[in-house]
Amino acid sequence: GAGVSQSPSNKVTEKGKDVELRCDPISGHTALYWYRQSLGQGLEFLIYFQGNSAPDKSGLPSDRFSAERTGGSVSTLTIQRTQQEDSAVYLCASSLDIYGYTFGSGTRLTVV
Amino acid sequence: AQKVTQAQTEISVVEKEDVTLDCVYETRDTTYYLFWYKQPPSGELVFLIRRNSFDEQNEISGRYSWNFQKSTSSFNFTITASQVVDSAVYFCALSDSNAGNMLTFGGGTRLMVKP
Repeated sequence: GAGVSQSPSNKVTEKGKDVELRCDPISGHTALYWYRQSLGQGLEFLIYFQGNSAPDKSGLPSDRFSAERTGGSVSTLTIQRTQQEDSAVYLCASSLDIYGYTFGSGTRLTVV
Repeated sequence: AQKVTQAQTEISVVEKEDVTLDCVYETRDTTYYLFWYKQPPSGELVFLIRRNSFDEQNEISGRYSWNFQKSTSSFNFTITASQVVDSAVYFCALSDSNAGNMLTFGGGTRLMVKP
């Protein structure tokens, strides 16, 4: 597609439920990144994929967070047993190299 | 480890004033990239500039200019003759050889331009 697409744009969930956030990168972009922006805060790196592999998962906040990427394209970030502190905007970015870094519009997650 | 510091959390100016947003970075790499992004109230991240570590030439784009100084590890951003539409949160970011070009962001500076 023309840009990085994220869905849903907004998600309200009850504490303890699982949620899945989706990212559709720009076609052909081999690298995909997930970031989190908590209210009034900067952006925190979560995980990145090169192809379908995630060489570094150390940015994931807890073992309730997981992510996968299939076919070198779509990625899903899953949060299990959501907590109120998980409320944030989750941003996805994709790139072919450092010159093509493009962010999506984000998913605003609210845990009530 | 890499780190980006934006010491100014919030700046308020009156329209037409010039304003400089500071950014100081830390990295052990000799090859790295520096970025500025704008995040307006709508929330999307708007790319403003990318600069590599080998190019210390200052850049001007309309009312925007950037001053990159390796000696002080700074990459400051100046808006000349600010406008209300410049009101946003501005993020400075660094990418080095870690984690496949992941960006390390500063905490952001909220700029408010009053009419």
